[in-house]
Amino acid sequence: DTEVTQTPKHLVMGMTNKKSLKCEQHMGHRAMYWYKQKAKKPPELMFVYSYEKLSINESVPSRFSPECPNSSLLNLHLHALQPEDSALYLCASSQETGYGNQPQHFGDGTRLSIL
Amino acid sequence: GEDVEQSLFLSVREGDSSVINCTYTDSSSTYLYWYKQEPGAGLQLLTYIFSNMDMKQDQRLTVLLNKKDKHLSLRIADTQTGDSAIYFCAERNNNDMRFGAGTRLTVKP
Repeated sequence: DTEVTQTPKHLVMGMTNKKSLKCEQHMGHRAMYWYKQKAKKPPELMFVYSYEKLSINESVPSRFSPECPNSSLLNLHLHALQPEDSALYLCASSQETGYGNQPQHFGDGTRLSIL
Repeated sequence: GEDVEQSLFLSVREGDSSVINCTYTDSSSTYLYWYKQEPGAGLQLLTYIFSNMDMKQDQRLTVLLNKKDKHLSLRIADTQTGDSAIYFCAERNNNDMRFGAGTRLTVKP
């Protein structure tokens, strides 16, 4: 069982919908991450939060909007997505950023399909 | 091209050893990781090794690191059908986590 919990596990939405992905961890980690993974590809980093502040945005389109309400929660708000945004969205957390000895722990992901 | 390279496929028989290889390019990477991903699931951290180590063993898993050649390997002893998955090698330097393309391990009965 993963210690990073993501909801929902599956999401189907139209291009005009607004939805949110949620991620929660109770390991006391202060860094949280969003990744996008297409089929048969490795995860690609989207956003990094460190101590609840956005520290990295990997040039992600504005139709993806991250939010970190507190140190345990990370949301990804979705609006006006495109079919090519269909993918597995993975959340991860680690104790700190900037230190390689802090492995990232991943959730099981939300599989998103855009109609 | 990718900074972290892995062969895409590996097929072994149940009970044999599996060796998954990885090469990386960033000599300043301090830690290297192996993750396992089963179908429909997220990434499970298997093990990681500090760059000043040559080897790390954890039950059936053995990680070998050749820093001079920037070569990392994961050996799974007594491979079981439950080990069938995609295995990702990753290197990390500060916030930058780079993954290989993943090696799909198939274990035949």
